[in-house]
Amino acid sequence: GAGVSQSPRYKVAKRGQDVALRCDPISGHVSLFWYQQALGQGPEFLTYFQNEAQLDKSGLPSDRFFAERPEGSVSTLKIQRTQQEDSAVYLCASSFAGQGLEQYFGPGTRLTVT
Amino acid sequence: QKEVEQNSGPLSVPEGAIASLNCTYSDRVSQSFFWYRQYSGKSPELIMSIYSNGDKEDGRFTAQLNKASQYVSLLIRDSQPSDSATYLCAVNLNSGGSNYKLTFGKGTLLTVNP
Repeated sequence: GAGVSQSPRYKVAKRGQDVALRCDPISGHVSLFWYQQALGQGPEFLTYFQNEAQLDKSGLPSDRFFAERPEGSVSTLKIQRTQQEDSAVYLCASSFAGQGLEQYFGPGTRLTVT
Repeated sequence: QKEVEQNSGPLSVPEGAIASLNCTYSDRVSQSFFWYRQYSGKSPELIMSIYSNGDKEDGRFTAQLNKASQYVSLLIRDSQPSDSATYLCAVNLNSGGSNYKLTFGKGTLLTVNP
């Protein structure tokens, strides 16, 4: 079946611009996660949704980062007033259920802030 | 101490050899452990999950878990050049009851030489 999809795959933004990154999880997957991966590092947790509820946003780096999943399916990660340090790959993952089960990653969005 | 630690490598093995990748984690009550493979420029791909002490085999891959030693490893038998990638260890650390998010090591770069 179809895996996790993300769009756009690449995004170049000028510093100060707002960006929106989209994630479409595997059909039927209740849980959705956003991670940030810097070059040469493992992914780092940003936020977690179970259906439409955002249960953990402790990993969001600042209040410029905002995520939503209004209908419990597609999710959007929004970054306001982008800064150069926001340049990274943003990965979305989904899981049939949240706790302890396998997470499957999408292809990621590579964000470059110039 | 970092929460999930891996030898960053690079680890170089000849084709046909056994590659051994190691990972230690900090939280004694962690329950779920995963190995992801990440090719350069691609997103992490789940290759193994393990939840109980002992060995779990899937084709050429064997995951080994020792909760008492807080150690998880991945063995790749009959290594192929196509196995050349970064291998990420991921753990559902149970700190603060958040046993849903994955904490990753920095990854071990494996090169299999023809």
